[in-house]
Amino acid sequence: EIVLTQSPDFQAVTPKEKVTITCRASQSIGSSLHWYQQKPDQSPKVLIKYASQSFSGVPSRFSGSGSGTDFTLTINSLEAEDAATYYCHQTNSLPQSFGQGTKLEIK
Amino acid sequence: QVQLQQSGPGLVKPSQTLSLTCAISGDSVSSNSAAWNWIRQSPSRGLEWLGRTYYRSKWYYDYAPSMKSRITFNPDTSRNQFSLQLDSVTPEDTAVYFCARADGRWAYFDSWGQGTLVTVSS
Repeated sequence: EIVLTQSPDFQAVTPKEKVTITCRASQSIGSSLHWYQQKPDQSPKVLIKYASQSFSGVPSRFSGSGSGTDFTLTINSLEAEDAATYYCHQTNSLPQSFGQGTKLEIK
Repeated sequence: QVQLQQSGPGLVKPSQTLSLTCAISGDSVSSNSAAWNWIRQSPSRGLEWLGRTYYRSKWYYDYAPSMKSRITFNPDTSRNQFSLQLDSVTPEDTAVYFCARADGRWAYFDSWGQGTLVTVSS
């Protein structure tokens, strides 16, 4: 079973700041890594698919990179509406798994 | 645009069976490309993938090893929906349950149900 470890668990950030969230896999998963945003009382929504491909309709300030075991979600020029919890998700092998989440709070 | 609508009870007694349904619009449960997933979320376990079902000339079922002994998925082509059945529940099964669609067996989840909070309590 593949374990995904995100860092940090929590970050307080100011608007317009650049944010970087990392996700490390316990073994190589190629590019089968996806990023979601979840706001309170909502379902997760996909931001980045296959490590670096932006999902349709997602603002261009969100980008992803990485392959193998190390992945990064970057938010350029953070906006207040980006306050949420972010999760990585691997579909390389079963059982599929998620990271523990990174909560972003706006200062 | 695919939409998933969940239904089912929010309270289940310990040792009983949890049953939830996910109704699909904008796609078919017997699609030859999609896969239909159940995920749950709790403060203690985070997001946990429970399994999936999909149709490729026949029905396939993949369950998370931790759930395999007591979980069943049932696709219903006549109603275009799929359901989750979890037997012998305990308070540790208390969670928000989501259904989700993947556009392929190894794809990300592009559509999610609204989530159902299920509490296991007597």
